Amino acid sequence: DSGVTQTPKHLITATGQRVTLRCSPRSGDLSVYWYQQSLDQGLQFLIQYYNGEERAKGNILERFSAQQFPDLHSELNLSSLELGDSALYFCASSVVGLAGGEQFFGPGTRLTVL
Amino acid sequence: AQKITQTQPGMFVQEKEAVTLDCTYDTSDQSYGLFWYKQPSSGEMIFLIYQGSYDEQNATEGRYSLNFQKARKSANLVISASQLGDSAMYFCAMIQTGNQFYFGTGTSLTVIP
Repeated sequence: DSGVTQTPKHLITATGQRVTLRCSPRSGDLSVYWYQQSLDQGLQFLIQYYNGEERAKGNILERFSAQQFPDLHSELNLSSLELGDSALYFCASSVVGLAGGEQFFGPGTRLTVL
Repeated sequence: AQKITQTQPGMFVQEKEAVTLDCTYDTSDQSYGLFWYKQPSSGEMIFLIYQGSYDEQNATEGRYSLNFQKARKSANLVISASQLGDSAMYFCAMIQTGNQFYFGTGTSLTVIP
């Protein structure tokens, strides 16, 4: 158990809908990262937050948004869902930023868009 | 151009032998970091090892070592004394300026008893 929790574990929804994925980092970790893993695109970095502020943005679509709350949990909002958004979404956390190494991953949320 | 290239889609290794998983990267930055992750069939992602571009010594973490050859832009993962539990997908990744983060396509490692 990495100490990072993600809810829900599975999510099935329809095209055009909006969903929210939630992540709670390990106690004491200030950085949260979101990743998408799909068959088409492989693993992609979406976005990083550090202590409530956006720190880095990767291949995140405009239909997607994220935030980190004062208690450091983070939410990834996916809207106007398309079939191609079906993927495994990972959250990870670390004490500081990425350049330093160790990240701890949550178990992921499996999103299926029908 | 691909930022991270893993040319071995699949690898096999005998239990207790060492194995090297290849990774080459493409960047013009002086400051960058290289990572390896493991993803077992259960799906979770596990951080294995990190190497900073200014680190002069190769990173090691237990049975994992990163063979960092800066001039060749390679960051191969060496797993010593392979175990059955090492069977998994392995991803190489790089972070560069602006915290831009890139993954390779992965190598599937199978450890044979």
